[in-house]
Amino acid sequence: GAGVSQSPRYKVAKRGQDVALRCDPISGHVSLFWYQQALGQGPEFLTYFQNEAQLDKSGLPSDRFFAERPEGSVSTLKIQRTQQEDSAVYLCASSTREGQDSPLHFGNGTRLTVT
Amino acid sequence: AQSVTQLGSHVSVSEGALVLLRCNYSSSVPPYLFWYVQYPNQGLQLLLKYTSAATLVKGINGFEAEFKKSETSFHLTKPSAHMSDAAEYFCAVIIYGNKLVFGAGTILRVKS
Repeated sequence: GAGVSQSPRYKVAKRGQDVALRCDPISGHVSLFWYQQALGQGPEFLTYFQNEAQLDKSGLPSDRFFAERPEGSVSTLKIQRTQQEDSAVYLCASSTREGQDSPLHFGNGTRLTVT
Repeated sequence: AQSVTQLGSHVSVSEGALVLLRCNYSSSVPPYLFWYVQYPNQGLQLLLKYTSAATLVKGINGFEAEFKKSETSFHLTKPSAHMSDAAEYFCAVIIYGNKLVFGAGTILRVKS
């Protein structure tokens, strides 16, 4: 059974470029989260989807960050005009349903390096 | 606001020794608490979770954690460390739904 799949695994972008990071959640999982993990730190919440609805985007650091999940399955995190401080690992996680007893399944992340 | 504090960014133990990774939480209501493990270049894997059913929670790979309300702690332990336990460990608390807030992490080194 496939887990959460993220692509690309590594991305190098020049400052000012736009990037798009993809997340394929586990089939049938309703909830999808994006987290940002800077070097040496714990993951920090970016945004949350329930099906196609983006219910919480309070963690997005600026309006350069945009996430979508148009059909309630695959999600894309887009970063416009990348800056060096955007360098981090971006983790996607999914779970079967909304609820505190539903564990999150994480992908292996996309490591973004902005030069 | 709910948060977690992990004491010690690095812990080093000898193979076969006790593993103790510390986590304290702040919460105004009974929390849901989790421990995750992260191996290099991989995502996070759930070790165990506390959801108020029992104060001593057993997880995978021989790990367990005890919820102590009086100490607002949820420390992770394993009686005997194995080389394969070397990884980074994160304590986390639920904010709402299943939105997690993570601690800063503790890197566990196991010496042979």
